[in-house]
Amino acid sequence: NAGVMQNPRHLVRRRGQEARLRCSPMKGHSHVYWYRQLPEEGLKFMVYLQKENIIDESGMPKERFSAEFPKEGPSILRIQQVVRGDSAAYFCASSLKANTEAFFGQGTRLTVV
Amino acid sequence: TQLLEQSPQFLSIQEGENLTVYCNSSSVFSSLQWYRQEPGEGPVLLVTVVTGGEVKKLKRLTFQFGDARKDSSLHITAAQPGDTGLYLCAGEGLDMRFGAGTRLTVKP
Repeated sequence: NAGVMQNPRHLVRRRGQEARLRCSPMKGHSHVYWYRQLPEEGLKFMVYLQKENIIDESGMPKERFSAEFPKEGPSILRIQQVVRGDSAAYFCASSLKANTEAFFGQGTRLTVV
Repeated sequence: TQLLEQSPQFLSIQEGENLTVYCNSSSVFSSLQWYRQEPGEGPVLLVTVVTGGEVKKLKRLTFQFGDARKDSSLHITAAQPGDTGLYLCAGEGLDMRFGAGTRLTVKP
């Protein structure tokens, strides 16, 4: 049973470009969470989605950031017009039940140059 | 406002020492989870505690859930360098929001 898959593992974007981060949850999991982590810091909650619905996006910046979890396919975290401050590791997690026992992917490390 | 307070924030000890880290909240949780994140990796679920007063052991790790289900502790016996990492707690119902974590370094 494959775990949570994130791709790409590393992503380099120039300022102003778009970044698309993908997350395939564990099989059977319909709850997906996205986090941002800066070096030596904790996990900052961004958004919680359940198939086709955004449940809680209170941790996500209102400008330039969006997330989706379509009926078919992976969850996508999209960052438009990236800036250097967007450089971070972005982790996604999935769970079978809401709000508990999440399993994480290995993250996407975004570098904006 | 941090819903889950973890302490200490940083801890550096020698191999073989014992340690305890804490996760506290003013909220009551139906369950609480502990995770460990090693450098360059995603967090890994260690344990879920459900019952107030519950104690769970995972080799040298002992997890306790407070009687009132508002707090939890993680005790590590005879720490090893492989225990180095960021220890995070999460309470059910918080949309998987984590505490800030305890960053543990075990020196050989």
